[in-house]
Amino acid sequence: EVQLVESGGGLVKPGGSLRLSCAAAGFTFKKYSMDWVRQAPGKGLEWVSSISSGGGTYIYYADSVRGRFTISRDNAKNSLYLQMSSLTADDTAVYFCAREGDGIQPIDYWGQGILVTVSS
Amino acid sequence: DIRMTQSPSSLSASVGDRVTITCRASQGISNYLAWVQQKPGKAPKSLIYAASSLQSGVPSRFSGSGSGTEFTLTISSLQPEDFATYYCQQYNALPFTFGPGTKVNIK
Repeated sequence: EVQLVESGGGLVKPGGSLRLSCAAAGFTFKKYSMDWVRQAPGKGLEWVSSISSGGGTYIYYADSVRGRFTISRDNAKNSLYLQMSSLTADDTAVYFCAREGDGIQPIDYWGQGILVTVSS
Repeated sequence: DIRMTQSPSSLSASVGDRVTITCRASQGISNYLAWVQQKPGKAPKSLIYAASSLQSGVPSRFSGSGSGTEFTLTISSLQPEDFATYYCQQYNALPFTFGPGTKVNIK
């Protein structure tokens, strides 16, 4: 069974930093591209970032986070990360870790999400 | 960026009803279209990829169709567990964009 469990969320002040982690289980982690998707309170889904399988050679970001967020992966630890800095209130959201399907496929599995609140 | 729109934004339906949701892309995306279901306070669940292929374990009452710029999600006979918000997502080009969602309410 595919499992994706996020951690590291919480309350952070504007301008601060936070690192989210996602522990993956139930599949061969290194073989899959991985994504972060977020959802602001009461709003829709927003794709944040993607990292390719294997060594994570290919990395992509939404314009809204480029230059402030860094996605990375540790295949030995079956883990995905999102380092977030220069946070603003607009970054307040539930952040979902997600797995992309085989080949040119969209997300097929989602984590339960972790709340990040940016407030003074 | 490719803009995704959905209609209606919400609908009310009864158990057993046939429900259709439309998703439009601002430019052609071939069949690189996914549908996602989300219940309040829960993680999204992927339903359909490649416009019409069901993800593993998704009931056959869900179906998708379309290509290019116009797509539909159909629930052939609405069940109590289907009341949720449905999002389309294009994965033809970065950034991968979602539609604003369609909320399916109980009539």
